[in-house]
Amino acid sequence: EVQLVESGGGLVKPGGSLRLSCAASGFTFSSYSMNWVRQAPGKGLEWVSSISSSSSYIYYADSVKGRFTISRDNAKNSLYLQMNSLRAEDTAVYYCARGPVGFDYWGQGTLVTVSS
Amino acid sequence: DIVMTQSPDSLAVSLGERATINCKSSQSVLYSSNNKNYLAWYQQKPGQPPKLLIYWASTRESGVPDRFSGSGSGTDFTLTISSLQAEDVAVYYCQQYYSTPPGFGQGTRLEIK
Repeated sequence: EVQLVESGGGLVKPGGSLRLSCAASGFTFSSYSMNWVRQAPGKGLEWVSSISSSSSYIYYADSVKGRFTISRDNAKNSLYLQMNSLRAEDTAVYYCARGPVGFDYWGQGTLVTVSS
Repeated sequence: DIVMTQSPDSLAVSLGERATINCKSSQSVLYSSNNKNYLAWYQQKPGQPPKLLIYWASTRESGVPDRFSGSGSGTDFTLTISSLQAEDVAVYYCQQYYSTPPGFGQGTRLEIK
């Protein structure tokens, strides 16, 4: 059974940092591109970042470029999102999702709250 | 960037009736070399992550009831629920994965009339 489990969310002050993790199981992690998608409270879905299976291709939304860094460790079946210089508008549930033909599996999400 | 626009923003349909949600992309998501539309539909219920329903615009994901169907090509797409069930109350999103960023529509809230 495919499983994606996010962790690392929490309350952080503006300007602070957090590192999100996504532990994958039930499939050959190294064969799939992976994504981070966020959803602000009561809002729609916003794609944040994607990384190809071998980390050769990495993409970011303009809203996070220069502040967030996506990475993966195929040996550990894990996906990461390093978030720096956090802003109030980054407050959201962050999902990891498997690509690339649509996002066919999603984790339950981890809540990031940026507030003083 | 390709902009995805859904209509309507909300929809109320009686149980057993047909529900139709539209999605329009600002440019074509049809890849000519393989004749595939890079368009997906998702269902999101409260407190849950999105669930993939349809990909390649019309291919139903495994386990998705056949009352859900997708159609369209190029820039105009439709998600149809042929006979609305109570468990279909949710927000529905379209998404293009033709190019980066793989953007989502704003969502359509589906309720029971």
